Amino acid sequence: KAGVTQTPRYLIKTRGQQVTLSCSPISGHRSVSWYQQTPGQGLQFLFEYFSETQRNKGNFPGRFSGRQFSNSRSEMNVSTLELGDSALYLCASSFVSGTSTDTQYFGPGTRLTVL
Amino acid sequence: GDSVTQMEGPVTLSEEAFLTINCTYTATGYPSLFWYVQYPGEGLQLLLKATKADDKGSNKGFEATYRKETTSFHLEKGSVQVSDSAVYFCALFWQAGTALIFGKGTTLSVSS
Repeated sequence: KAGVTQTPRYLIKTRGQQVTLSCSPISGHRSVSWYQQTPGQGLQFLFEYFSETQRNKGNFPGRFSGRQFSNSRSEMNVSTLELGDSALYLCASSFVSGTSTDTQYFGPGTRLTVL
Repeated sequence: GDSVTQMEGPVTLSEEAFLTINCTYTATGYPSLFWYVQYPGEGLQLLLKATKADDKGSNKGFEATYRKETTSFHLEKGSVQVSDSAVYFCALFWQAGTALIFGKGTTLSVSS
């Protein structure tokens, strides 16, 4: 079974621009979560989507948004980029059965650099 | 709030040495516990997990036991290899929150 895929793998943007990152989950996984990884703050949860609905959101400003499509693929968008948004953005997918969300499996990440 | 605390790194060992990476958590109740590993330039890989007290997770020679009484989930390996050099993350998961809460990570460097 193919793993979680993320595109693009690397991205360079300038301050003030916006960016869209894409994530394709493992086949059959309907929950997609996004995390930001930085040297200073470590791994922080951004948001989680299931069946095209955001179920949970971390403590990030409104510039960070996401969505999920009917095929479970997800995108996250960051508007008005700031230097501090430079990070590795990780996507994870998981299988959901009833009210239970199973183990999260991660993609390789998208490395975003803001200049 | 819920949190995970890992021992500070880096941890430097010689090949075949015994490894312990300490992890303790703070949570109201009994979350699921995980160890993930990150190799340079890659995403996170699931190493092992435990979903209830006294469960032992194991994989590739690594083990960790969910200790409710000490709120700990320490990672151990009897004989490390150079290929084990990576960053190791301890994490907890709540069903209600659907989000992993990670420790800061511990860098392991193994030399031959």
